[in-house]
Amino acid sequence: QKEVEQDPGPLSVPEGAIVSLNCTYSNSAFQYFMWYRQYSRKGPELLMYTYSSGNKEDGRFTAQVDKSSKYISLFIRDSQPSDSATYLCATKEGAQKLVFGQGTRLTINP
Amino acid sequence: EAQVTQNPRYLITVTGKKLTVTCSQNMNHEYMSWYRQDPGLGLRQIYYSMNVEVTDKGDVPEGYKVSRKEKRNFPLILESPSPNQTSLYFCASSEGLAGEDTQYFGPGTRLTVL
Repeated sequence: QKEVEQDPGPLSVPEGAIVSLNCTYSNSAFQYFMWYRQYSRKGPELLMYTYSSGNKEDGRFTAQVDKSSKYISLFIRDSQPSDSATYLCATKEGAQKLVFGQGTRLTINP
Repeated sequence: EAQVTQNPRYLITVTGKKLTVTCSQNMNHEYMSWYRQDPGLGLRQIYYSMNVEVTDKGDVPEGYKVSRKEKRNFPLILESPSPNQTSLYFCASSEGLAGEDTQYFGPGTRLTVL
């Protein structure tokens, strides 16, 4: 079992829709969780960072961690075509490495 | 501008011909790492370095070498490339991996081994 599982999609939604992206993880010791956004032909860039359980909001983006079910989510409100990208969830394993999900390719249709 | 640079961006080579992909960062970061990205497998860590002359294996180190002689540079070496090393490679750096240290990624190197 992979340490972090993510549905690769692809996911296609109309502009303005609320998007929900999800990951599950296996190790209850994980504490730090991240969402990276990767545009085509670019490297990933950090989008959201959360520690332990709870929600974190940044503009149209909300990251949510549920440690009881080992579930992490990213919500995008009022989605825009510029949000079309691959979204990768990640967590820190110890102090030395990041573990990534497979990435979900998202397309927002105008 | 703070950035991680990689060269070359695209490379087509043949089996067994040694190659080096360079990585350089201008943020004085201590931590650097190499990943490969393959469809359906996501990003997998190849090697990482906590500081100059300190390197260690990630999840998929076979067939790769690295060195960290200077803080800013972290080259990835393929001594005898094989077709299963065809992939998209990313270098990343951060101040460390503690707390909310952010990893900055380079633009990627697309390698094809024939």
